[in-house]
Amino acid sequence: QKEVEQDPGPLSVPEGAIVSLNCTYSNSAFQYFMWYRQYSRKGPELLMYTYSSGNKEDGRFTAQVDKSSKYISLFIRDSQPSDSATYLCAMTEGAGSYQLTFGKGTKLSVIP
Amino acid sequence: GAVVSQHPSWVICKSGTSVKIECRSLDFQATTMFWYRQFPKQSLMLMATSNEGSKATYEQGVEKDKFLINHASLTLSTLTVTSAHPEDSSFYICSARERGQGITYEQYFGPGTRLTVT
Repeated sequence: QKEVEQDPGPLSVPEGAIVSLNCTYSNSAFQYFMWYRQYSRKGPELLMYTYSSGNKEDGRFTAQVDKSSKYISLFIRDSQPSDSATYLCAMTEGAGSYQLTFGKGTKLSVIP
Repeated sequence: GAVVSQHPSWVICKSGTSVKIECRSLDFQATTMFWYRQFPKQSLMLMATSNEGSKATYEQGVEKDKFLINHASLTLSTLTVTSAHPEDSSFYICSARERGQGITYEQYFGPGTRLTVT
């Protein structure tokens, strides 16, 4: 079993839809969670950074962490064609270890 | 803020030659930089971690004599692929942690370098 599981998609939604992206993990030591957006042939761009269970909102993006279920989500409201990209979840144990473990990424297409 | 650049963005080289990729933090000092490689439709795989002024720490299975990393300053790290072969063709991405970032763990990524070895 891989440490981080993420459905690779592709996921196709109409413009304006609410998008839900998810990752599950098996390592209970993971404490810090990130979501990155990666456009084709570009480096990942940090979207959200969280370290506690619960929700964190930033504009149209909401990151949700449930440590008891080892499950994290990213919600995108009012999705736009410019949101079309691959979304990667990443996590780390912290405590001085800076190594990130990534999910495979979910490819999202928002259709106008 | 927290901008990381890479150069070149795309390079083609012949088998057996060496290629150097630069990673720069443009508006911050980076005490730690990371090098990843990404194959098509795959996630990022960490190759090595470098701290300014120290030798890089390589992940298991990564040949340190083939992938030479130098982190000579707080704003520059280089990855040299020596004696490149077609199987080294990949997307190489660096990332950095900001000096004084404290106990936060996010990394800022460069735009990546596409290496094609013919």
